[in-house]
Amino acid sequence: AQSVTQLDSQVPVFEEAPVELRCNYSSSVSVYLFWYVQYPNQGLQLLLKYLSGSTLVKGINGFEAEFNKSQTSFHLRKPSVHISDTAEYFCAVLKAAGNKLTFGGGTRVLVKP
Amino acid sequence: EAGVTQFPSHSVIEKGQTVTLRCDPISGHDNLYWYRRVMGKEIKFLLHFVKESKQDESGMPNNRFLAERTGGTYSTLKVQPAELEDSGVYFCASSYNADSYEQYFGPGTRLTVT
Repeated sequence: AQSVTQLDSQVPVFEEAPVELRCNYSSSVSVYLFWYVQYPNQGLQLLLKYLSGSTLVKGINGFEAEFNKSQTSFHLRKPSVHISDTAEYFCAVLKAAGNKLTFGGGTRVLVKP
Repeated sequence: EAGVTQFPSHSVIEKGQTVTLRCDPISGHDNLYWYRRVMGKEIKFLLHFVKESKQDESGMPNNRFLAERTGGTYSTLKVQPAELEDSGVYFCASSYNADSYEQYFGPGTRLTVT
């Protein structure tokens, strides 16, 4: 079975400051990795995904994440956040050839002016 | 292209009542998934349809939950009778086929059982 741990439940950050959201996973088989974002009153939107290849993945809205196999991590970063980045962020894994996403508990990011 | 839609957006019912949630996937998507987020917990998988067939229902909590996808288009999730612990946000997602790793999510239905 897979499990995902998001180490921070809430992250307050000032506008234009950098942010890093941490995600660690556990799995005995190969997995694909995802970050989703949920803006207030909206559904989940895919930010970025890692399937294979380069371990640095760039996504929408200036976000990027780095897959680290030895540390089983997939941390999300943005060098300069905007007020509009206020949202809840979810890390998820999908077992290769599997069908169901396993999510972490989510990290609420509050961007302050 | 229309995204995944869910109805209703909110539902408040009393314990013991029945509620039916509906999900319309993106047109042409064979795969449809239901997930649930109970307050303060992770989003958890409930089940997966491929067209009209249940591929995996390992996440369904108990037999009070019944999911259907007649005709392989929209899906319904019925809770009967509802219990307090069923409160949460129910998400639906769809993907094109088995090789599509990206699941597109709907806005969710917030269910409150009082």
